[in-house]
Amino acid sequence: QVQLVQSGSELKKPGASVKVSCKASGYIFNNYAINWVRQAPGQGLEWMGWIHTNTGNPTYGQGFTGRLVFSLDTSVNTAYLQISSLKAEDTAVYYCARGGERGGDNWGQGTLVTVSS
Amino acid sequence: QLVLTQSPSASASLGASVKLTCALSSGHSRFAIAWLQQQPEKGPRFLMKINTDGSHIKGDGIPDRFSGSSSGAERYLTISSLQSEDEADYYCQAWGTGIWVFGGGTKLTVL
Repeated sequence: QVQLVQSGSELKKPGASVKVSCKASGYIFNNYAINWVRQAPGQGLEWMGWIHTNTGNPTYGQGFTGRLVFSLDTSVNTAYLQISSLKAEDTAVYYCARGGERGGDNWGQGTLVTVSS
Repeated sequence: QLVLTQSPSASASLGASVKLTCALSSGHSRFAIAWLQQQPEKGPRFLMKINTDGSHIKGDGIPDRFSGSSSGAERYLTISSLQSEDEADYYCQAWGTGIWVFGGGTKLTVL
């Protein structure tokens, strides 16, 4: 079955960087985009952008440029989200989700990133 | 600009039915949407995709109690025979060329 398994929770200090992984299995990785979604504490879902798994070309959503990098390692069917210069307001759960004709039809379990001094 | 509007909250009694609404912004009435369920402390779960004509494609293992429909620029999720585990946040999602949009979510309380 389709699975997206994300890396574990992270506690980071302001100014540090974090890299979240999303390992896909159960389908042909290159056939679907990987999207990233943020959910701040008590808030709704916010789309961050996506990465084309064939070309590696990233697209960043409005308000998510500058400190974000989406990347891939297609040899292990894994997508990555890296956030640099972390701020307290980056504290959130980050989700990866498979994107296709049904929108976000499979989601990772989420990775909590806490930014605190 | 594509915007999805949902009521912030809804409630219904155990065993009853509830119909949640997702309204597409003007000029976007032909977009399909997906419904997602997010139970407390869990990640989103794909429920179904609803097309403009009301046809829908469910995710794996989604019970028959969940159904979808469409009318004009509105997309609906109906949950019948409500169970306690249906208490959750429900989000609608639309997508275009290289962009995703989420509604603000509806918090469903099962009384």
